[in-house]
Amino acid sequence: KAGVTQTPRYLIKTRGQQVTLSCSPISGHRSVSWYQQTPGQGLQFLFEYFSETQRNKGNFPGRFSGRQFSNSRSEMNVSTLELGDSALYLCASSFSGADEKLFFGSGTQLSVL
Amino acid sequence: AQSVTQLGSHVSVSEGALVLLRCNYSSSVPPYLFWYVQYPNQGLQLLLKYTTGATLVKGINGFEAEFKKSETSFHLTKPSAHMSDAAEYFCAVSDNAGNMLTFGGGTRLMVKP
Repeated sequence: KAGVTQTPRYLIKTRGQQVTLSCSPISGHRSVSWYQQTPGQGLQFLFEYFSETQRNKGNFPGRFSGRQFSNSRSEMNVSTLELGDSALYLCASSFSGADEKLFFGSGTQLSVL
Repeated sequence: AQSVTQLGSHVSVSEGALVLLRCNYSSSVPPYLFWYVQYPNQGLQLLLKYTTGATLVKGINGFEAEFKKSETSFHLTKPSAHMSDAAEYFCAVSDNAGNMLTFGGGTRLMVKP
C-alpha cells in the first residue's frame, strides 16, 4: 500500500512568486491535513480537508490556501511568497477522525530567495 | 486554546540507558495526546496515542507513555535506549476537532555509544 506522496520534494522560488504543492493521500483516506515546519516556529497546523471541504483552519494569512479533489488528492497554494515562508511543508492523511493515526509524507522543502 | 510544552530541546543518553522525554499540555477539553518521531529528511511517524481508557499507553519500538491528568503530563519513556532511537520526538494534543494537532517544540534525542 503506497504511503502519502508529496511533490515536488524540493522547490526554490523567489519573493513575490506563488507556489503550488501537491499531496496524494493513502488510498481510501478522506482526510488530508497540511503542516508547516520551521526551525523557529516548529510544527504548525495550516488546514485540514475532508471530503473536499475545509474542516479546520490554522492561524495563517489568506496567502495560504488549499483544496481537495474528489479523489482526495490535495493541493496547497501560497501566493506572494515571503522569505519567512521557507519551510518544510508536511501533508498527512487519515481515514477520517482525530483519534486515528495520521500518516505523514516526507514533505516538500520550500526555499524562498 | 491548547498548548504543548516539551522540556528540553536536546536530550542525550547512553546506549542502554533509560529514555525520558517530558511533555506537558494544556487543554480545555479532554485531550487526545500523541507522540511522533521524525528521522532526518523524513515525515513524522506515530509512536503512540492516548484517547480514552488505560492511562499507560504502549507504542512501537518499546516506547510507552503515561497520561497523568492531575499533572497535565504525557511523558514518553523507553527502558533501554538504542542507537536507532536517535531522532526528534514531538508531543502533540488534539481536541478531536478533526485532524488539527498542536505540537510541542520537539526534543532531539541523541544516543551515545
